[in-house]
Amino acid sequence: ETGVTQSPTHLIKTRGQQVTLRCSSQSGHNTVSWYQQALGQGPQFIFQYYREEENGRGNFPPRFSGLQFPNYSSELNVNALELDDSALYLCASSQSVRGDGEAFFGQGTRLTVV
Amino acid sequence: KNQVEQSPQSLIILEGKNCTLQCNYTVSPFSNLRWYKQDTGRGPVSLTIMTFSENTKSNGRYTATLDADTKQSSLHITASQLSDSASYICVVSYGGNNRLAFGKGNQVVVIP
Repeated sequence: ETGVTQSPTHLIKTRGQQVTLRCSSQSGHNTVSWYQQALGQGPQFIFQYYREEENGRGNFPPRFSGLQFPNYSSELNVNALELDDSALYLCASSQSVRGDGEAFFGQGTRLTVV
Repeated sequence: KNQVEQSPQSLIILEGKNCTLQCNYTVSPFSNLRWYKQDTGRGPVSLTIMTFSENTKSNGRYTATLDADTKQSSLHITASQLSDSASYICVVSYGGNNRLAFGKGNQVVVIP
């Protein structure tokens, strides 16, 4: 166990709906990153939060948004869901925003858009 | 073009045999290189993490090597077990702000 918890584990949504995914980071970790992993592909970086502020964003449209709370837990929100949003969504927490921090992943949320 | 390339894409090996997975990367500035094991539908779990000055690191039956000059890494699995069946992902941290570049993974299947 990595100490990083994601909820829910599975989710089915209809195209056009909105979804919120949650991540509880490991104790003492102030940085959370979110990734989208399509089947058979490596994870793709969505964005990173450090101390409640967005600290970098990948090539994802604005309908992907996030939040980080004072306890460093985080949410990923996706509006106007599209079929291609179906993927495993991973969050990773780390103790440092610098590149030397070990990143611990949650078990992921499997989102299916129908 | 992906900044982290892994080969072979997939591999089938007999239980008890050894195998080596390759990773080439182009991202810079380099911070560290990690190998993760990912079971199907689960989150990646860290196996090793190596900085620029380290050229080998072991974690049980897993041994990773790094050549920062040629930007290549390998992961060697010794005496494979059925539980080693998974995707092995090479991840390079770069840019000094924990930005991670992922390979697509080496899919390993161990058969009895």
